[in-house]
Amino acid sequence: SQQGEEDPQALSIQEGENATMNCSYKTSINNLQWYRQNSGRGLVHLILIRSNEREKHSGRLRVTLDTSKKSSSLLITASRAADTASYFCARIGVDSSYKLIFGSGTRLLVRP
Amino acid sequence: DAGVIQSPRHEVTEMGQEVTLRCKPISGHNSLFWYRQTMMRGLELLIYFNNNVPIDDSGMPEDRFSAKMPNASFSTLKIQPSEPRDSAVYFCASSFGDWGDQETQYFGPGTRLLVL
Repeated sequence: SQQGEEDPQALSIQEGENATMNCSYKTSINNLQWYRQNSGRGLVHLILIRSNEREKHSGRLRVTLDTSKKSSSLLITASRAADTASYFCARIGVDSSYKLIFGSGTRLLVRP
Repeated sequence: DAGVIQSPRHEVTEMGQEVTLRCKPISGHNSLFWYRQTMMRGLELLIYFNNNVPIDDSGMPEDRFSAKMPNASFSTLKIQPSEPRDSAVYFCASSFGDWGDQETQYFGPGTRLLVL
């Protein structure tokens, strides 16, 4: 399958805790992106990390990329109930400059 | 600024009927993407337009599916005839860049299609 694997498939945490989601892929990438999807809604772009970057921050989000292991992680610190959503990693491979290949997603539930 | 606009938001139709989904990309964006999301297959790229020209339609399932982009502010995805297995959420996304330099895509709210 071209899709990346995301781990875990589902995650339930208490408000205030940190949430970590992982994404693995098989082929070399140009960049990797994380998106959020609230139930019944479209996808919202969160952060993009390029293949020559190792870590990136945006507010309470921290993304890491390990190209040697072909993996990325998304950390949400001090989670809030409003963070409840599905989170997808998506990559643009070196063989295609525009084609986003989405992972299967992690469903995050933040309990108030 | 308005984001990507899709219509209708929901569509229920009977097998064999023609379905037309519409998308208005963000003004100034020159790339447009149609995706399909199902539980079984996740998010799949159906077709990609750059400067109104179809660049990659390899994801279009079969001849029943067609897409057009007559101008920079409008695109349609048509299914004729529709089948129950076409039931899914269809997303339109837009971005700015050349076909060789694409980054962030902005997604519309999607059209939830149910074919009975």
